[in-house]
Amino acid sequence: GAVVSQHPSRVICKSGTSVKIECRSLDFQATTMFWYRQFPKQSLMLMATSNEGSKATYEQGVEKDKFLINHASLTLSTLTVTSAHPEDSSFYICSAPTGTAFDNTQYFGPGTRLTVL
Amino acid sequence: GQNIDQPTEMTATEGAIVQINCTYQTSGFNGLFWYQQHAGEAPTFLSYNVLDGLEEKGRFSSFLSRSKGYSYLLLKELQMKDSASYLCAVRVLTGGGNKLTFGTGTQLKVEL
Repeated sequence: GAVVSQHPSRVICKSGTSVKIECRSLDFQATTMFWYRQFPKQSLMLMATSNEGSKATYEQGVEKDKFLINHASLTLSTLTVTSAHPEDSSFYICSAPTGTAFDNTQYFGPGTRLTVL
Repeated sequence: GQNIDQPTEMTATEGAIVQINCTYQTSGFNGLFWYQQHAGEAPTFLSYNVLDGLEEKGRFSSFLSRSKGYSYLLLKELQMKDSASYLCAVRVLTGGGNKLTFGTGTQLKVEL
């Protein structure tokens, strides 16, 4: 089946630094990718929809200037957490649907565990 | 917006059958998904329903009633490795494409 990768799998950084997370679709092209955040023992919360060649669409309450999304190619989307703070520590997961809007499968990357000290 | 409800926790015995329910209220409904998630890992796809009825896939089955805003995931012949969180997710078709909204998940514990 389709594969989505994320890098890095785990990152620890100091407060105030920026962290970039990459999401790649390995064997299919993804014009759309989704970024989720998951806090411990909570469900996945959609942060933004990444669109290839255009601006990302952010969910209500998500700061677009803090969480920068770039979808520069059909196989790569990046999420940059700028000036990270301890409250940004979370599990960040990307996903990509294959095919058209009516495709019934959305593949998830393995996730990135961010810890901000 | 969307409202998705699932029980927080369930416990079942190895070899038994368990049913995890999910109710939802949404507009623009375009399918319901069930995912399994082990701690610290990403969700893995289990099933998809867009029409009413039962979809069976091995030990897992999923049912949907669109008129009632209700779905369940049925797990048969439970194994210890089935201990995980089970996420119900509703897909909504918007002007910007499809979006998945997840329920809070049901933590299933399988005991001997």
